[in-house]
Amino acid sequence: NAGVTQTPKFQVLKTGQSMTLQCAQDMNHNSMYWYRQDPGMGLRLIYYSASEGTTDKGEVPNGYNVSRLNKREFSLRLESAAPSQTSVYFCASKGRLAITGELFFGEGSRLTVL
Amino acid sequence: KNEVEQSPQNLTAQEGEFITINCSYSVGISALHWLQQHPGGGIVSLFMLSSGKKKHGRLIATINIQEKHSSLHITASHPRDSAVYICAAVLTGNQFYFGTGTSLTVIP
Repeated sequence: NAGVTQTPKFQVLKTGQSMTLQCAQDMNHNSMYWYRQDPGMGLRLIYYSASEGTTDKGEVPNGYNVSRLNKREFSLRLESAAPSQTSVYFCASKGRLAITGELFFGEGSRLTVL
Repeated sequence: KNEVEQSPQNLTAQEGEFITINCSYSVGISALHWLQQHPGGGIVSLFMLSSGKKKHGRLIATINIQEKHSSLHITASHPRDSAVYICAAVLTGNQFYFGTGTSLTVIP
């Protein structure tokens, strides 16, 4: 049981380049999330998807797009990377109970934008 | 203003000590998560609480909904407990407020 798998684990981009972070979960969860983690700050929500085919903006969506292609996969795209997007990105999914479901996180993707 | 405050921010303990990490929140919540993050590693869920107390091995988590406060206790601490511990308050099904974490170092 792999849980939440995200790729790549590390990426270095130049300003203006684009890339997609991939995330997949094998737990049949409805809710999936993309967070960024920066030093001295709590995890901040970029986008989330409450169910297949739906996505909603979180706290810091600017510069990002997402796709929930199917129930398993939720991808995060940076169309034109900026140095301010240097961060560690985490994908997460939530257990099936709407309010009290357990959170499962991927291993993180460390992105550096030069 | 952060809706979730953790204390202390940093904690160093000797192996075997009893450790307490605190989490206070300012909004009404439906549940609270305690998460563990090892250096350079992913984030693992330790507990999800909506009331009372839960225990798993040497870890104990408590929550007082009326006082808007939760604690994570580690008994007989060990160097492998060294990690960042994060509390996350659940507002609605998809809205979480995360604390900035408590960095714990346990010295042998």
